[in-house]
Amino acid sequence: DAKTTQPPSMDCAEGRAANLPCNHSTISGNEYVYWYRQIHSQGPQYIIHGLKNNETNEMASLIITEDRKSSTLILPHATLRDTAVYYCIVREGNNNDMRFGAGTRLTVKP
Amino acid sequence: GAVVSQHPSRVICKSGTSVKIECRSLDFQATTMFWYRQFPKQSLMLMATSNEGSKATYEQGVEKDKFLINHASLTLSTLTVTSAHPEDSSFYICSARTYGGRDNWETQYFGPGTRLLVL
Repeated sequence: DAKTTQPPSMDCAEGRAANLPCNHSTISGNEYVYWYRQIHSQGPQYIIHGLKNNETNEMASLIITEDRKSSTLILPHATLRDTAVYYCIVREGNNNDMRFGAGTRLTVKP
Repeated sequence: GAVVSQHPSRVICKSGTSVKIECRSLDFQATTMFWYRQFPKQSLMLMATSNEGSKATYEQGVEKDKFLINHASLTLSTLTVTSAHPEDSSFYICSARTYGGRDNWETQYFGPGTRLLVL
């Protein structure tokens, strides 16, 4: 039973912002939202995580709605190298593993 | 970020032989490591969780006698696929968990993966 729902695929123009949505309507109070991405034939790469506040790092921004039922990962200026499968994962606490859903295949086009 | 390495990156073996895959955390100590498997066009599936010095915990449906996991130190875990068969051909990915960073939170970092082909 998947805790998150993501669109299977999205396209984005190079240089534009890529906004990847994720629904997690059953998230509980102590569960964090994590984002990873997997470029073809590589291991997943950590991007960002958050609990309820919006977060930003050198790779991306994470916007979490006030009710925490959904979030959006924003890549501010997408490049061709950002083409990958992006996974949104909800994880409780410190002691649980990451379980992956189907993710969103983002294709950045020139 | 923290670096996790795997060796070998790809391996081809004959059916019936055993294959060992190493996973190392290069710049941090990992009390917990994870092994995932990924078939073509599918997502990652967790196989097992291992804590340093103790037996691994396997997910339902994963044969512990076929996929031997050893986590002998805080920086090394190995996965041995015993008596490999063609259906074991897959992309095997390890992950290590570490503290630190924002909020001193645990984050999982992943290795580059090992592609196994059993003929």
